[in-house]
Formats: sequence, structure tokens, C-alpha cells
Amino acid sequence: SQELEQSPQSLIVQEGKNLTINCTSSKTLYGLYWYKQKYGEGLIFLMMLQKGGEEKSHEKITAKLDEKKQQSSLHITASQPSHAGIYLCGADTGGTSYGKLTFGQGTILTVHP
Amino acid sequence: GAGVSQTPSNKVTEKGKYVELRCDPISGHTALYWYRQSLGQGPEFLIYFQGTGAADDSGLPNDRFFAVRPEGSVSTLKIQRTERGDSAVYLCASRDDPSNTEAFFGQGTRLTVV
Repeated sequence: SQELEQSPQSLIVQEGKNLTINCTSSKTLYGLYWYKQKYGEGLIFLMMLQKGGEEKSHEKITAKLDEKKQQSSLHITASQPSHAGIYLCGADTGGTSYGKLTFGQGTILTVHP
Repeated sequence: GAGVSQTPSNKVTEKGKYVELRCDPISGHTALYWYRQSLGQGPEFLIYFQGTGAADDSGLPNDRFFAVRPEGSVSTLKIQRTERGDSAVYLCASRDDPSNTEAFFGQGTRLTVV
């Protein structure tokens, strides 16, 4: 079965600093999703990557998928307190178009003002 | 509605009781997913509906768990003889097509079994 490992498990940064969260898969990724979650709330979709080498950006967040499609990174530039939360990567299990996702364990981000 | 709605938002029940959790997906979305999220973990897949039928129920942990979607819109997750280990946040997501990129998640139901 597909497994996703996120690192680090938690991250504390000062406002304005850049940071990177990694997501590594045990198998080739057919689709890699990044979500953000705040305590007691559902998941907010950030970005989806499908092609090897693909990179997408939205505001100050950039996500990349490596050429081998086994690792993705999420980079936040000039972090703000509003970026705080739990970041989850989710992988499409592939083989079908179910859209069923396997998730990593999450990275807890704290941004100090 | 504008988004995926889950009710109740919180549920406390006694061990051994029966509970029902409801998911109201975005109107017109044919694909619906249930996930379970334990504290400090990512969501784990439970079941996937395409229309009214359960296309994949491989994530249901045992036969105490059952889900229905009789009219292809609202879905109910049913848990019989609840156990303390069932305590978790139950998340529902919907998509307008299973191959589409974005799944929209509800805010979840926090189930606590005491």
C-alpha cells in the first residue's frame, strides 16, 4: 500500500521566515495534493501536482513534485501567523480514477509574530 | 449549500451505543468520501460512493461500520456498538467527478465515545 512520510512533524518559525515541508512516498505518485487544516476544521485545498517536475504557486506558497514523482515539497515564503496550521499531503492511490487519497501524518506549523 | 456540511459537529456517546453521522455534499457532486482522523494523524480512508453505490468500502475497519447514500446526495455513516477506539474526527469530502482535481472537505464530526 502507498505510504506517505512528512517531515518535519512540527515546525516553529518566526514571522517573515521561509520554510519547507517535505512529503515522501514509498511509491510513484499519480497525483499529490496539499491541504491545510486548522484545529476543529476541515481540510482546505491548496494545490495538486501530477507531472514530474511540476511546480505550482499560490500567493506565498509554492509546491513542487520531483521528476521521479516520489517526493513533494511545500515552501512558504515570508511566513505569516495566518499560515499556521496543519499541512497535509495526500496521494492519489492511482490505478483508477477513484480520487481516494492516502494522507501523510501532517506537519504542525506555528508562526510566532 | 455552498460547501460540504456535516452534522453534528460534535457527538459524545456512551460505549455500546449506536450513532449516525450525516454528510451533505456539494449539490451535484457524484463522488463522496468518508475519512477518519485520529489525533495527531492524517485522515484515513473509510469508504467511497459514486452515486448511490459504495464503489470502495475497503477502509471500513469492521462490520460495526456501515454507510449509505440512498439518493446519491446525503450520506450517513452508521456505527453500531461504539467502542472508545472509535473516538476520532470523521471527515466527509465530495467531488463533482472522481477524476477531478479538488475534493472539498466538510468541517468534520468529532465523535467521543466515553
